[in-house]
Parts: sequence; structure tokens; C-alpha cells
Amino acid sequence: DAGITQSPRHKVTETGTPVTLRCHQTENHRYMYWYRQDPGHGLRLIHYSYGVKDTDKGEVSDGYSVSRSKTEDFLLTLESATSSQTSVYFCAISESGAGELFFGEGSRLTVL
Amino acid sequence: KQEVTQIPAALSVPEGENLVLNCSFTDSAIYNLQWFRQDPGKGLTSLLLIQSSQREQTSGRLNASLDKSSGRSTLYIAASQPGDSATYLCAGTQGGSEKLVFGKGMKLTVNP
Repeated sequence: DAGITQSPRHKVTETGTPVTLRCHQTENHRYMYWYRQDPGHGLRLIHYSYGVKDTDKGEVSDGYSVSRSKTEDFLLTLESATSSQTSVYFCAISESGAGELFFGEGSRLTVL
Repeated sequence: KQEVTQIPAALSVPEGENLVLNCSFTDSAIYNLQWFRQDPGKGLTSLLLIQSSQREQTSGRLNASLDKSSGRSTLYIAASQPGDSATYLCAGTQGGSEKLVFGKGMKLTVNP
């Protein structure tokens, strides 16, 4: 299994609070991705990174920011959480932009 | 905008059947295609990756093919087992893109 660790795995927070999810990889892969998975919508890309300090937006990036200061860590931040951001968040990694994608176990976020 | 369709959304079969899962893309210009499996409460597990120069891939009882002229992919599962019960997702990239677009998945139940 690809070495991907997401933390926290579960979090309950209140509307308006900041939240940061962390993805840590031990594979030294260049690309890292954040997805959210919701019933009826499937998996949607939030942001991705193609190298340290290099990031780009996905299809549902509003309300989210990311940072990657080291190859192994990719952080997803919700500056002010809203109930619509209640979801399961998955981190994924890939050696190349079109290479095989490997997923973490997910982080379940509930915003009350 | 690329969209991915997986029909049916759910399938229930008796053990031992040979299965065909379908995936279709609105834009047939698929560069790479990947099939995943997701167990309840878990992340996605990569099953097969068909790269740009390939037309099919095989792993054990699984065979995936990609028809680039029609933008359709098929995942064939031979001699299905209860352990194959999971949600199966397909995802593809287009040339020049680093982003996978996912189907919403097909929930497979294999009954003993």
C-alpha cells in the first residue's frame, strides 16, 4: 500500500471555525491531490500540487486553500467552515500528472 | 466539460457470474484511464491503469479495456466472488491535463 496518512480521520467542528486537514506521504511522489466525496456528486477535485509550493485549483476550490512546503506534506485549509463543506475528504498522490493515483483513507469532516 | 457515466448505479449478482462494468466519457479523447475499487468507509484502491499507448490491462480475474474511438471502457470481472462486493469507479484524464475526472461509481453486490 502507498504510504499516505491523512489526519485527522474524523473531525466535528462548528460553522465559521478554521479547519486544516493534513496529508502526509512517504512515497516521494511529485503530485498530490485533495478530493471531496459526496453522495450524488462522486469525487470532485478541490486543489492539487505538482511540486513544492506549486499548486492549482480544481473544480470546487471556492472556500478552500492549500499549501505544500515540503514534498511529503499537503495541507488543505477551510478558512471559515460552512455546513456545505461537510464531506469526506481524500488525499491522493501520483508520480506524474497522468500516472497511477493512490488514495489515503479519507478524513470525515462534519460542520455543524 | 468532461463527464463520466457509469451505468447501472448498482448491480446484484450471484457468486460465480462473469461481470461487465461499463464506463463512458462525453469526450472520447481519453489519455489515461484508471479503475478503482472502494469498500465502505475506506479510500479508493487502484485496480488497473490503462496508459495512453495501451488498449487493455489485466490483473488476475480483472481485465479492463479502453476504446478510444468511442470513449468507452469496460471492466471485466471473471468468476465473481462475495469479496468482490464494493463500489467500482472509473476515472480518466485528457491529453495535457493532470486532473482525473471520476464517474460516480457502480455498487456491486455478489451474493453467496
